[in-house]
Amino acid sequence: EMQLVESGGALVQPGGSLRFSCAASGFTLGGSWMSWVRQAPGKGLEWVANINQDGSDKYYADSVKGRFTISRDNAKNSLFLQMNSLRVEDTAVYYCTRERRGTYSYYGLDVWGQGTTVTVSS
Amino acid sequence: SSELTQDPAVSVALGQTVRITCQGDSLRTYYASWYQQKPGQAPELVIYRNNNRPSGIPDRFSGSTSGNTASLTITGAQAEDEADYYCNSRDTSGDRGVFGGGTRLTVL
Repeated sequence: EMQLVESGGALVQPGGSLRFSCAASGFTLGGSWMSWVRQAPGKGLEWVANINQDGSDKYYADSVKGRFTISRDNAKNSLFLQMNSLRVEDTAVYYCTRERRGTYSYYGLDVWGQGTTVTVSS
Repeated sequence: SSELTQDPAVSVALGQTVRITCQGDSLRTYYASWYQQKPGQAPELVIYRNNNRPSGIPDRFSGSTSGNTASLTITGAQAEDEADYYCNSRDTSGDRGVFGGGTRLTVL
């Protein structure tokens, strides 16, 4: 069974930093594009960032660009999200997801973790 | 603001058919996918690549696209289909993901 398990959630003050980890099992993470998606309390889903198989391509939502960094360690079957300069509006559940793709196209997000939560508050 | 637009809420009588739509310019170029999210749970993929069902998803769920609109149809809605549904695709640049605002489906 393919699984993603996030960890690292915490309560942090505005301006603080946090790093999320996501461990994959049941598939080889290195073979897939991966994404982070977040959901603020009572709100909809927001795409945050993604990264290609070898980590050479990364893309970010405008709301997090310059503050968040996505990375991966394929040898450890793990994905990361480093979050700096956190703001109150970054408060959300963060989901690690696997992208399903064809040779040239994005098809959807077919594996989701259970989510990990950051609360940004003073 | 989201580049994909969904109706906030839709209702359907038990056993009837309901269509949930998603509009956006990027849908003319990029595939749509759909996710079901029940309270307290992570989203689950129900349709990918416009009209494909992952294994384990009931065949009452189907997807289609026309122009700038993607649709998720539930034929014979069941009580357990009551949930939030989100569409997803790429933005107009193709580099970034984007979600619709979500549609809350109520099964009456």
